[in-house]
Amino acid sequence: GIQVEQSPPDLILQEGANSTLRCNFSDSVNNLQWFHQNPWGQLINLFYIPSGTKQNGRLSATTVATERYSLLYISSSQTTDSGVYFCAPGGSSYKLIFGSGTRLLVRP
Amino acid sequence: DTAVSQTPKYLVTQMGNDKSIKCEQNLGHDTMYWYKQDSKKFLKIMFSYNNKELIINETVPNRFSPKSPDKAHLNLHINSLELGDSAVYFCASSPLTGELFFGEGSRLTVL
Repeated sequence: GIQVEQSPPDLILQEGANSTLRCNFSDSVNNLQWFHQNPWGQLINLFYIPSGTKQNGRLSATTVATERYSLLYISSSQTTDSGVYFCAPGGSSYKLIFGSGTRLLVRP
Repeated sequence: DTAVSQTPKYLVTQMGNDKSIKCEQNLGHDTMYWYKQDSKKFLKIMFSYNNKELIINETVPNRFSPKSPDKAHLNLHINSLELGDSAVYFCASSPLTGELFFGEGSRLTVL
């Protein structure tokens, strides 16, 4: 099956800082999604991005499928960005494989 | 209106008991899922249904039995609960290809 590696595992930022989270995966995929799990446990879909670049406010994501990686950019971080960010690539939506996540803490 | 809703949100029960978690989605999606998140936050798919048909059944003990009465509902029944079943169970739905939407999770604690 697909192996997924997310880095860094933990990240502490001062409010206002920018960061890049990385997701490497071992096989070609047709589907890749990024999720944010907030401190209350809710899992929110950030991006459906099997290839290319998308932006949503302060967040953007880029997937280079041919090189088997995806990046999530967070600009001007806010305390509400704290939580765990999961990358989930897969052959389809049926079977996404979740990475172990990047735990982000944004300090005021 | 909650898009994917699951009940109950919290379950505390004794070993050996049987429990069910219900899930409903009002997004019109064809596909629904159950995921398990362990204490280390690792998320793993358990089951996937498309239009009431089981399409993914990961290596989950037979004590776990999903049931989809219609494409908007996917319930999870667990028999003979064990300590290791303690986790957060997430229901999710998606279109055939596209974004996955999660419910709020059901935290199961087995004593």
